Amino acid sequence: ETVLTQSPGTLSLSPGETATLSCRASRSVSSTFLAWYQQKPGQAPRLLIYGASSRATGIPDRFSGSGSGTDFTLTISRLEPEDFAMYYCQQYSSSLVSFGPGTKVDLK
Amino acid sequence: QVQLQESGPGLVKPSQNLALTCTVSGGSVSRGDYYWSWIRQPPGKGLEWIGYISHTGTTYYSPPRETPMAISMDTSKNEVYLRLTSVTVADTAVYYCARGAYSGSGVFAGWGFDLWGQGTLMTVSS
Repeated sequence: ETVLTQSPGTLSLSPGETATLSCRASRSVSSTFLAWYQQKPGQAPRLLIYGASSRATGIPDRFSGSGSGTDFTLTISRLEPEDFAMYYCQQYSSSLVSFGPGTKVDLK
Repeated sequence: QVQLQESGPGLVKPSQNLALTCTVSGGSVSRGDYYWSWIRQPPGKGLEWIGYISHTGTTYYSPPRETPMAISMDTSKNEVYLRLTSVTVADTAVYYCARGAYSGSGVFAGWGFDLWGQGTLMTVSS
């Protein structure tokens, strides 16, 4: 089973700043199968990034993903008020899925 | 437009068996290269993948859990099910149905859960 670790646990920032979220895998993950999600309180998660770096439909270009192998990054540029939320990375390999524990981006 | 809707009993007692239903509208569960998944989220915690069933009926599950779970589907009703046996308080969570699918094409293709239901809260309490 591939274990995902996310850091930091909480990121306190102000609108307009840049958020850099890290996702590290316990073994190499194909970029094709690395995704990022945003979740707001009381809502289902929403797919942001698939294939490590491709934005899902309707996702603003201030969201970007990068990385390969065991280290992946989600960057949110010019934070908007609606971007303060939980963010999860997720991988799919050997027919199994796992999620990271999440990073909370909150208002400083 | 494909939509997912979960339903379930809401409140159950420990040791009971139960089934949750995911109704898929606007599309067929038996077509396309989709993986119909169940994911749960205990109160105040992160996302836990339970397992999925492919459009061909093949199932995969996360490593064994204390509570036995099984995923199945009824193509005539366009529904996907999650059955839990002898639940405990640790199974209290919001249960989501989600569609695993490929997006994009070529070098930009990727796999993820592109559609989610709104979730159904299942509380286990005596």
